[in-house]
Amino acid sequence: DGGITQSPKYLFRKEGQNVTLSCEQNLNHDAMYWYRQDPGQGLRLIYYSQIVNDFQKGDIAEGYSVSREKKESFPLTVTSAQKNPTAFYLCASSISLAYEQYFGPGTRLTVT
Amino acid sequence: SQQGEEDPQALSIQEGENATMNCSYKTSINNLQWYRQNSGRGLVHLILIRSNEREKHSGRLRVTLDTSKKSSSLLITASRAADTASYFCATSNTNAGKSTFGDGTTLTVKP
Repeated sequence: DGGITQSPKYLFRKEGQNVTLSCEQNLNHDAMYWYRQDPGQGLRLIYYSQIVNDFQKGDIAEGYSVSREKKESFPLTVTSAQKNPTAFYLCASSISLAYEQYFGPGTRLTVT
Repeated sequence: SQQGEEDPQALSIQEGENATMNCSYKTSINNLQWYRQNSGRGLVHLILIRSNEREKHSGRLRVTLDTSKKSSSLLITASRAADTASYFCATSNTNAGKSTFGDGTTLTVKP
């Protein structure tokens, strides 16, 4: 059963805590992405990775960090430096940049 | 920085009618993609149209691309209540490579 998995679906954290969101794909895709979506809004790119051990900042990288040690995995850490972390986070992958993206089901993070 | 901008922001139609939504962009593109998002879910890819293509079909979906006007349209024919969702365009421009998403059109199809 191929695809992208994100876990958990819902995540609750206290302000000041770092939290890591999981993203795994078994599509053998080189490129992976993290997006943030606020209610009623579009997608904003946080980080993307073209290939293992390489990643680039997107439009709103401040307060976030990523790693890409394995082709299948692209975890996102929301740090305490992120001022407004409550949002819906979407992970995606594609064969390479500029190709159609396949999305996971998303993680809804609530920080109080 | 947003590349694609969808229009209208919201669209409400009756089942059986056609729905048309538009996407405009600013810089030269490699391709343009349309996605659908049901509430609270991830996006699903619908159609990719390359810069040298003018029209593409997939089932009840028809996408056109006019590179001279830097715009694309998505037509959904004979709409169904299940088509209720947000629709996003994403453009991959020739410099950056990666795709950039617009803010989407929210389509409501009333049964």
